[in-house]
Amino acid sequence: LAKTTQPISMDSYEGQEVNITCSHNNIATNDYITWYQQFPSQGPRFIIQGYKTKVTNEVASLFIPADRKSSTLSLPRVSLSDTAVYYCLVGDRGNQGGKLIFGQGTELSVKP
Amino acid sequence: DTGVSQDPRHKITKRGQNVTFRCDPISEHNRLYWYRQTLGQGPEFLTYFQNEAQLEKSRLLSDRFSAERPKGSFSTLEIQRTEQGDSAMYLCASSSSSRDSLYNEQFFGPGTRLTVL
Repeated sequence: LAKTTQPISMDSYEGQEVNITCSHNNIATNDYITWYQQFPSQGPRFIIQGYKTKVTNEVASLFIPADRKSSTLSLPRVSLSDTAVYYCLVGDRGNQGGKLIFGQGTELSVKP
Repeated sequence: DTGVSQDPRHKITKRGQNVTFRCDPISEHNRLYWYRQTLGQGPEFLTYFQNEAQLEKSRLLSDRFSAERPKGSFSTLEIQRTEQGDSAMYLCASSSSSRDSLYNEQFFGPGTRLTVL
């Protein structure tokens, strides 16, 4: 399983763009990159997933360079409600039966 | 509400007692997962079912833990002879294994917070 490394914590202010980078040097050819968000006392919530280049949805963008050894989750114009823990996961659906392997995540604190 | 539900939301028990948690997944989802999360850590995989079959169990799941999904719908997680180290948030998630589903998109419930005194 590819191991991920991401910052333990980040601080930001409302209205700023936040970029959280995740390293996954041992990512395999069949691995996808997935990000989850978790608020206190709630279960994690799927944010975005990608394989290469750039993926954008209504919540975030995911940038993946050509070598796929890292990825960056970009949150545009954050608000106080974006304060949460963000997890980067990599894995292959077929081999893992879909189970998710979470790291420690990045605790994002958005200040007014 | 068609999300994943878990019951109870909170459970306080004394060491040595047995506890049982219930999870009701999203109805059309055939996969169901149990995770455990302690403070400051990401969720840890415990076990998962595809329909009623338990396909994988983590080494974290000691003999005191048992999970069932008798009819491929709801699931229960039982912990026997609880220990203080079992105190954690127990999360349930469900997903669809169909090819059209996004890879690794699991839908989590709110969790059951267990405190063992």
